[in-house]
Amino acid sequence: AQRVTQPEKLLSVFKGAPVELKCNYSYSGSPELFWYVQYSRQRLQLLLRHISRESIKGFTADLNKGETSFHLKKPFAQEEDSAMYYCALSGGGFQKLVFGTGTRLLVSP
Amino acid sequence: DTGVSQNPRHKITKRGQNVTFRCDPISEHNRLYWYRQTLGQGPEFLTYFQNEAQLEKSRLLSDRFSAERPKGSFSTLEIQRTEQGDSAMYLCASGGGRAYEQYFGPGTRLTVT
Repeated sequence: AQRVTQPEKLLSVFKGAPVELKCNYSYSGSPELFWYVQYSRQRLQLLLRHISRESIKGFTADLNKGETSFHLKKPFAQEEDSAMYYCALSGGGFQKLVFGTGTRLLVSP
Repeated sequence: DTGVSQNPRHKITKRGQNVTFRCDPISEHNRLYWYRQTLGQGPEFLTYFQNEAQLEKSRLLSDRFSAERPKGSFSTLEIQRTEQGDSAMYLCASGGGRAYEQYFGPGTRLTVT
């Protein structure tokens, strides 16, 4: 079965603090992993994907196949990072996305 | 705005009525997806089109739900005999050349009273 678990509904940090949003997955093959973000009053958008190994807006995520995790990290949170973050997987190609339940990140000044 | 558009943005209907939503994908995107999102959950896949062909349907898509994409352009999602459990945000996404791409629309929020 394909499943994405995000254990935290809400993560509240102060500006400048490190952030780690947790994501664990269950998939029988080799999935593609993604992080999507939804800022207030905006549509869902892709933040990063594991294959590209990029750093977007200071965020990085490493795929750990042994622990089946894809945690999102940022060393110094900014207020503009406050948003809803969804971890998602797909079987590759054009396949559908399977989303987690999301974590709301709140960065306070 | 050249992104994915969805209409209407909000729909309130009474239980038992039929509703239809429309999604206009990004021009020339051949892939189109429908998802449903209920409160406190992430989006859940409903169905997928490549051009006009409906290639995958979720078990969530009961026989009261039907989706079409005539001519491979816009798509419609119809729900017949709506139930209160159908209340949700219905999201559309389209994709083009890169296999992993899915660009999401703003969604249609359905409330069934």
